[in-house]
Amino acid sequence: TQLLEQSPQFLSIQEGENLTVYCNSSSVFSSLQWYRQEPGEGPVLLVTVVTGGEVKKLKRLTFQFGDARKDSSLHITAAQPGDTGLYLCAGESGANSKLTFGKGITLSVRP
Amino acid sequence: DVKVTQSSRYLVKRTGEKVFLECVQDMDHENMFWYRQDPGLGLRLIYFSYDVKMKEKGDIPEGYSVSREKKERFSLILESASTNQTSMYLCASKVGQFGTEAFFGQGTRLTVV
Repeated sequence: TQLLEQSPQFLSIQEGENLTVYCNSSSVFSSLQWYRQEPGEGPVLLVTVVTGGEVKKLKRLTFQFGDARKDSSLHITAAQPGDTGLYLCAGESGANSKLTFGKGITLSVRP
Repeated sequence: DVKVTQSSRYLVKRTGEKVFLECVQDMDHENMFWYRQDPGLGLRLIYFSYDVKMKEKGDIPEGYSVSREKKERFSLILESASTNQTSMYLCASKVGQFGTEAFFGQGTRLTVV
């Protein structure tokens, strides 16, 4: 079993603060994805990173894939209440594109 | 607009019953997945399928089986439901290439009493 460890598990911050959360594994993945899930809904893709060392930006969100393709980080600048949700990382592996998720990070941004 | 549809939003079944959860996608995707989501445990992969009649076990396949007779439909079967299978079940589909997006259904909240 390829495990994806996400940290911290819970984060509560004030609007306007910056934050960084992490997704780590001992395994190499072909790609790593970040999803965001709101209550009562299925997860929705935020970004996919494929190349070691890759950095992608999505407005106030910055995603980085580790050089060894085993870990990733998500940095949010000037967090807003609308960023509140469950952030899940997922790694792809195997010949048939198996997709495995971490336990998720519950983020709460207070106004 | 892409769509993954799960047959039921809420389901209540009795212990020992055989339960079928259905998932249909309209995007001609090769890969389909079944996960269960429990508080603090994230999404755990039960089974996935990479082609019609092809399947691979995930991390927690015990007590479950799957069927994929047609490309668009992937069924999860609980052979004999137990209370520890009470959970949120999520179906997803994606193109079979690496780096492509997985699309999720809205989930089925299953309660086994």
